Amino acid sequence: AQRVTQPEKLLSVFKGAPVELKCNYSYSGSPELFWYVQYSRQRLQLLLRHISRESIKGFTADLNKGETSFHLKKPFAQEEDSAMYYCAPKPTSGSRLTFGEGTQLTVNP
Amino acid sequence: GAGVSQSPSNKVTEKGKDVELRCDPISGHTALYWYRQSLGQGLEFLIYFQGNSAPDKSGLPSDRFSAERTGGSVSTLTIQRTQQEDSAVYLCASSLGLAGSRSYNEQFFGPGTRLTVL
Repeated sequence: AQRVTQPEKLLSVFKGAPVELKCNYSYSGSPELFWYVQYSRQRLQLLLRHISRESIKGFTADLNKGETSFHLKKPFAQEEDSAMYYCAPKPTSGSRLTFGEGTQLTVNP
Repeated sequence: GAGVSQSPSNKVTEKGKDVELRCDPISGHTALYWYRQSLGQGLEFLIYFQGNSAPDKSGLPSDRFSAERTGGSVSTLTIQRTQQEDSAVYLCASSLGLAGSRSYNEQFFGPGTRLTVL
């Protein structure tokens, strides 16, 4: 069965500390992986996708096929990073995303 | 242009009533998605439209839920005989949606409709 797990519902760090939001997936084939973010009172929006290998707002995510993980990392968290983060795999065929349950990140001053 | 819009933004209804939720996708987006966001449940996929067809409606939780899309644009999600467990934020998203393509087109989300069933 296709499954995505974000083990931490809540994550709290201090400003300037490193942060890692975990995502593990169980998918057949080679899914594409995405991170979506929802800031307070804003719409859900795409943060980054693994195929682009880019850094957005200081965040990076490496796809580890061996561990079937796609953890989101940032070396120095900022208060404006406080938001709900969703990991979302997509199978190689089809358009449907499956979202994890989300991790609420709070960056304290 | 404008992003995805949804109406109403809030809906309070009584158990047993029917409700209709509306989604206006971004112009030119052929793919449209409905999701449900509940406390403790995360984001749950409901149905996907490509044009006016729904190739994947596997996420609809029961036959009380239905959705349609007309003119390849506006979509309505209808919930009949609402139950308290239907209370959630219903999100709509649209994308360019190249059918059969391996490339991914970013999904753009609407602000959601908060449904409360009393």
